Amino acid sequence: DSGVTQTPKHLITATGQRVTLRCSPRSGDLSVYWYQQSLDQGLQFLIQYYNGEERAKGNILERFSAQQFPDLHSELNLSSLELGDSALYFCASSPPGQGQGGYTFGSGTRLTVV
Amino acid sequence: GQNIDQPTEMTATEGAIVQINCTYQTSGFNGLFWYQQHAGEAPTFLSYNVLDGLEEKGRFSSFLSRSKGYSYLLLKELQMKDSASYLCAVRDLRSGATNKLIFGTGTLLAVQP
Repeated sequence: DSGVTQTPKHLITATGQRVTLRCSPRSGDLSVYWYQQSLDQGLQFLIQYYNGEERAKGNILERFSAQQFPDLHSELNLSSLELGDSALYFCASSPPGQGQGGYTFGSGTRLTVV
Repeated sequence: GQNIDQPTEMTATEGAIVQINCTYQTSGFNGLFWYQQHAGEAPTFLSYNVLDGLEEKGRFSSFLSRSKGYSYLLLKELQMKDSASYLCAVRDLRSGATNKLIFGTGTLLAVQP
């Protein structure tokens, strides 16, 4: 157990639907990062939150949004789902500052859009 | 912009040594990380370099040359369980991002008996 909790582990939904992925960071970590990993691609950075505020945005589609709550857990909302959104979605967290440990990843949510 | 290159696939023999290279181009560089990822699982941290030179950690070592934008991960005494994807990632401090990591597409290593 890495300390980063992601739910659900698996999600199967139809095109056009909306889903919410949840992430609880490791205790003491203030930053949460969301990444998408498709079958033939690397980890694509979506968005970062730090202590409740959006800090950086990557190639995140307008259909996707995220937020970080006062208790530091984060949710990634994916709407108007398309077949191409099928992927592994990882959440990671890190403590304040630029430490040597990088991120700690959650076990991911595997999203299948049918 | 940012660009991280690593070989797509490599094959090595159990007990041997393998070197996985990574080249990068990025501004705001503040450290290079290597992660291991087994299929369908979360990436796990292997090593971190921010200064030039070699960092050794058991069977794994990582090297960095900032002037060349180059790193490698060296795996010794390969075991079957080392079959996995190895991800090179660069920390980017631009745009106010705190600790943002940009990942390469990964090198899929197959260890054969």
